[in-house]
Amino acid sequence: DIDMTQSPSSLSASVGDRVTITCRASQTISSYLNWYQQKPGKAPKLLIYGASSLQSGVPSRFSGSGSGTDFTLTISSLQPEDFATYYCQQSYSTPRTFGQGTKVEIK
Amino acid sequence: QVQLQESGPGLVKPSETLSLTCTVSGGSISHTSYYWAWIRQPPGKGLEWIGSVHYTGTTYHNPSLKSRVTISVDTSKIQFTLHLSSVTAADTAVYYCARDSAQGSIAARSFDYWGQGTRVSVSS
Repeated sequence: DIDMTQSPSSLSASVGDRVTITCRASQTISSYLNWYQQKPGKAPKLLIYGASSLQSGVPSRFSGSGSGTDFTLTISSLQPEDFATYYCQQSYSTPRTFGQGTKVEIK
Repeated sequence: QVQLQESGPGLVKPSETLSLTCTVSGGSISHTSYYWAWIRQPPGKGLEWIGSVHYTGTTYHNPSLKSRVTISVDTSKIQFTLHLSSVTAADTAVYYCARDSAQGSIAARSFDYWGQGTRVSVSS
């Protein structure tokens, strides 16, 4: 199985801050990396697919980068509705695996 | 707009079989590019992919669940179903169904539509 490791596990930030979350795969996954946002009691929502492609309807303040084993999700200017938990997920091989999540909290 | 809705019992006894159905609306379940997935999330924990099924019947599942998982599709009812046998308390979770689709130049697969989730507890 491909292990996905996110860092940090949690962070505190203020509205307007630039936030960066990293995800590392235990082996190369090319660009087969997705990012999801999950709010309490809700299903995850796809933000980024293929490492850097913005899912339709997702605000442009979200961006993704990376390839191989190291990936980044960036929120350019944190908004109140962005406080949530973020997960990376690889689709390079089965079993599909997720990172452990990064909780973004209000400072 | 594609919508997915999980249904099934919220309480299952240990050693019994958990059975959930996902009904798809607003789109075709028989599109060649789509797989249909089950994903679960234990209380306070992260996400675990259980498995995926194609309308042709091709399935993939997580080896961590060994042979306990069966996923099937009923194109006439526009539904797909999860059966998880010999459940224990460790199978207590919110279970989500999702569409697994390929997008972009590299046909990257992702879970782009999700059901709202259904909470299943395993307890006697």
